[in-house]
This record gives sequence, structure tokens and C-alpha cells, in this order.
Amino acid sequence: EAGVAQSPRYKIIEKRQSVAFWCNPISGHATLYWYQQILGQGPKLLIQFQNNGVVDDSQLPKDRFSAERLKGVDSTLKIQPAKLEDSAVYLCASSTGLAGEFDEQFFGPGTRLTVL
Amino acid sequence: AQSVTQLGSHVSVSEGALVLLRCNYSSSVPPYLFWYVQYPNQGLQLLLKYTSAATLVKGINGFEAEFKKSETSFHLTKPSAHMSDAAEYFCALSNQAGTALIFGKGTTLSVSS
Repeated sequence: EAGVAQSPRYKIIEKRQSVAFWCNPISGHATLYWYQQILGQGPKLLIQFQNNGVVDDSQLPKDRFSAERLKGVDSTLKIQPAKLEDSAVYLCASSTGLAGEFDEQFFGPGTRLTVL
Repeated sequence: AQSVTQLGSHVSVSEGALVLLRCNYSSSVPPYLFWYVQYPNQGLQLLLKYTSAATLVKGINGFEAEFKKSETSFHLTKPSAHMSDAAEYFCALSNQAGTALIFGKGTTLSVSS
């Protein structure tokens, strides 16, 4: 079974530029998460989708960040315009979304963004 | 509010020595607790999970953790460290199935020969 795929793996941009990240979750997984991991910190949720609907985007800086999950499969996360403090690893995770006691999240390798 | 505190940002052990990584949590409801490992330039991999069954949880690669409600702790241990255990370890919490994880800041484990 293929894992969570993310691209690009690395991206370097100047501040005020825009950037987009792509995530392809495990086939059949209904729930998709985007986390931001700043150097020296643990991952922090940006947005959670259930199929193509947003479950939680309370920590997404909506003035510059946007995300979508068309057709409930792939997802893109965009930053426009980027700031220096956006330098981080952006992790995508997916889970089955089935009701039950535990729903393991599987993580992709992440996209490392450097804003100069 | 829920939170996770990992004591010690960096732990160094010798190969064959006991590994102990500390995690304390705060939660207003019974939590689900997890330990993840992250190798350089890779995503997070689940080591083990506590989901209200047995308080002593065994995971992959010889790791285990014990849930202690009275101490609000979920420390990770391994009896004998191996060089391949060198990585970043994250403790995480969720208070409901299917919700996002709340992570600690991580502990870097170094293993010397």
C-alpha cells in the first residue's frame, strides 16, 4: 500500500512570494490533515478535512494561508504572501475517518519551506 | 486546554543503556496518547498508542510506555538502546477519536557507541 505522498520535498522562496504544496493521501482515507512543524517544535495542526469538507481550520492564518481538497482526495496548501516566519516543514497526514476508538494518522515525508 | 510537555529536549545514552523519554500531559477528558518517531528528512512514524485499554503499552522496536493517570504521565522506555534508535521522538495527545493530534516539542535521542 502506497503511503502519503507530498511534493515538492523542498522549496526556497523570497518573502512576499507565493507557494503551493500538494498532498496525495492513502487511497480510501477520508480524513486529511495539514500540520506545520517549525524547527525545534512539534507539529501544529493547520487544517483538517473530512472528505472535501473542512472540520477544523481554527489555527490556519486565513489572511495568507488557504487549503482545498477537491473531490475529497488530493489537497493543496497555499501561502500568499509568504513571511519569514512561515519557514517550516509542512506535513500532510491521512486517516480512514471511520468511526471507532482509534484512527491512526499516517504521515507523509513533508515539504521543507525556506523563506528568505 | 489540552497540552503535552516533554521534559528534556535532548537525551544522550550509550548503546545498550536504558532509554527513558519523559512526557506529561494535561487534558480535561481521558486522553488518547501516542509516541511518534521521526528520522531525518522523513515523516512521523507511530511507535505506540494508549487508547484506554492496558496501561502498559508495547510498541515497535522494543519500546514501551506506561500510562499513569495519577501522575498525568506517559513516559517512553526501552531497556537497551541501539544506534538505530537515534532520532526525534514526539509525544502526542488527542481527546477524541478522529481529531487532530496535539504534540509536544520533541526530544532528540542520541546514542553513542
